Amino acid sequence: GAVVSQHPSWVICKSGTSVKIECRSLDFQATTMFWYRQFPKQSLMLMATSNEGSKATYEQGVEKDKFLINHASLTLSTLTVTSAHPEDSSFYICSATLTGIGETQYFGPGTRLLVL
Amino acid sequence: KNEVEQSPQNLTAQEGEFITINCSYSVGISALHWLQQHPGGGIVSLFMLSSGKKKHGRLIATINIQEKHSSLHITASHPRDSAVYICAVIRGNLIFGKGTKLSVKP
Repeated sequence: GAVVSQHPSWVICKSGTSVKIECRSLDFQATTMFWYRQFPKQSLMLMATSNEGSKATYEQGVEKDKFLINHASLTLSTLTVTSAHPEDSSFYICSATLTGIGETQYFGPGTRLLVL
Repeated sequence: KNEVEQSPQNLTAQEGEFITINCSYSVGISALHWLQQHPGGGIVSLFMLSSGKKKHGRLIATINIQEKHSSLHITASHPRDSAVYICAVIRGNLIFGKGTKLSVKP
């Protein structure tokens, strides 16, 4: 049980375009979803925490107008990288929990973004 | 100094060896995760623990809250265990260690 999917698994886009990444909990309702970014050979970095039906909470240094997060339902959260630039190229991973940070997190397989 | 330190950074072992990966942290936490990240990037949560010891198959995780230290042990290691193992502590949010890259040779 507790499967989280992400779509797309990889994306290549031109600089200036916007990219939407979906994160779905397939067999459970996720009250809280988390978005992480990982640069090559670096640790995972939490970008934002989203709770269904409310605005996401962004970590310091993460531009909320650039990384739009929508958690419209208990099974779906989306991350939109607006006006992507090459420095946004990274591995984006979502995770989901039933109730919040203190619970086991179930990770999606990740989305590799390459901005040319 | 990072709040979460893992050691070693890299580890190469022969198949069948007993492996230990260590995690030390400098902040008060409510719980700690051990994660496994495969070469393709996918992450699996192995354990979440706040005290004592947990075992799942060949994997054992222990934590000592007083000493701010946790260990992940792999018994009878196998090449398929090759991955990056990440320690992450829960303090409000998750704070990640930099990971330990494990390579198990046949």
